[in-house]
Amino acid sequence: DVKVTQSSRYLVKRTGEKVFLECVQDMDHENMFWYRQDPGLGLRLIYFSYDVKMKEKGDIPEGYSVSREKKERFSLILESASTNQTSMYLCASSLFTGIKYFGPGTRLTVT
Amino acid sequence: AQSVTQPDIHITVSEGASLELRCNYSYGATPYLFWYVQSPGQGLQLLLKYFSGDTLVQGIKGFEAEFKRSQSSFNLRKPSVHWSDAAEYFCAVGAQAAGNKLTFGGGTRVLVKP
Repeated sequence: DVKVTQSSRYLVKRTGEKVFLECVQDMDHENMFWYRQDPGLGLRLIYFSYDVKMKEKGDIPEGYSVSREKKERFSLILESASTNQTSMYLCASSLFTGIKYFGPGTRLTVT
Repeated sequence: AQSVTQPDIHITVSEGASLELRCNYSYGATPYLFWYVQSPGQGLQLLLKYFSGDTLVQGIKGFEAEFKRSQSSFNLRKPSVHWSDAAEYFCAVGAQAAGNKLTFGGGTRVLVKP
C-alpha cells in the first residue's frame, strides 16, 4: 500500500524554537508539497518541490523554508516558530496532475 | 490568480437523502478540478477529478460531479447519503500549465442525521 508518512501527528513547541516537520513518500514521486490547513480557509500551499534540491514558493511561504535532499523526503522548517503558525500541516506527493496522496497531518501548537 | 469558493460552510442532511455541495472557481483557462474528502481523523482522499471530455464525472463512494463552464462551477452530488459520508469536503482547482499545484476551497462540513 502506497504511503505518505509524516514524522509526528502532534507537536507542541515554544515561540522562537526551530521546528522540523518531516515527510516521506514511498512512491518515487517527483512532486511533493507542504500545505497548512486552517478552519474556514481550506488548504493553503506553503512550498512545493518538483525534484531533488528544487523548490518553489507557494501562496504563503513567509516564515517557512524547505529542504529536499532525497527524492523520498521533503522537510518543512519553521526557523523561529510563532503562535500564528499553530495549524495542521499536510504533506502530499504526486506523479501527475492532481495530488492523490496526502499524509495524515501534523497538528502543531506553538505556545 | 486561481481561486475556489465553497459557499456552504456546513450542510446537514438526513441519511438516505440526496446531497449537493457547491463549488465555484475562478481561472482564466480550462482548469483541472478535483474533489477531496477528509473524514474525522483521516487524511484527504481524492473522490474524483475532471481534466477534459465528459462534463459529468464519476468518482468513488457513489459521488459524481458536473463541470459547468458557463457557471464556473463543479458541484459534487450523491443521490443517497450514508452516515459514513459525514466529513469535510474540499474542492480544488489546478492550472494545466503548472500541472500539480492545486488551490483549495475553504471546505464544506457535512453532518448526517440518522
